[in-house]
Amino acid sequence: AQSVAQPEDQVNVAEGNPLTVKCTYSVSGNPYLFWYVQYPNRGLQFLLKYITGDNLVKGSYGFEAEFNKSQTSFHLKKPSALVSDSALYFCAVRDGRGSTLGRLYFGRGTQLTVWP
Amino acid sequence: NAGVTQTPKFRVLKTGQSMTLLCAQDMNHEYMYWYRQDPGMGLRLIHYSVGEGTTAKGEVPDGYNVSRLKKQNFLLGLESAAPSQTSVYFCASSSQTTGEQYFGPGTRLTVT
Repeated sequence: AQSVAQPEDQVNVAEGNPLTVKCTYSVSGNPYLFWYVQYPNRGLQFLLKYITGDNLVKGSYGFEAEFNKSQTSFHLKKPSALVSDSALYFCAVRDGRGSTLGRLYFGRGTQLTVWP
Repeated sequence: NAGVTQTPKFRVLKTGQSMTLLCAQDMNHEYMYWYRQDPGMGLRLIHYSVGEGTTAKGEVPDGYNVSRLKKQNFLLGLESAAPSQTSVYFCASSSQTTGEQYFGPGTRLTVT
């Protein structure tokens, strides 16, 4: 079964400091991994994805994520956090099998707060 | 380019009433999805569609029905609303090849 775990409900970081939002996954076969961000009262916005290739994936708004196959992790990172990065972040894994191709399994989300 | 749109944005229903939520996408995506989002629960898949005329159940399908008569539209129906269906509903679509889903702005539904 496909699943994603985000072990931290909340992450707090000071502006200018690096941030990490953690994600681990369980999937049959090769994982397709995604990060989304949700601002208050908005839909989810796609940040980045890992399909294959380099383990470090760069995405929107200066975010990047590191794929680690041995640790089954896909942590989201940013070298210098901004107050405007404060939002809810979701990790997701794609099911690549048969008729469910395209379906994403989401984690429960991590609330990131960046204080000035 | 509107992307994914949802109608309505807000709705209040009484228990037992019915309603239909409309999702439209203009990206010619094959796949479409309906999710509900509840505090602390993340996003849970209700139903999804891999093509026109085809639908399938997700994690929490009970109490909902869907239809995809046109490729660009995906309708979510509640035949007899219950307070447990109070939630924020999101529609999404994705391409068969690229995988990432694009989300609509959501519909906030309250059932009293």
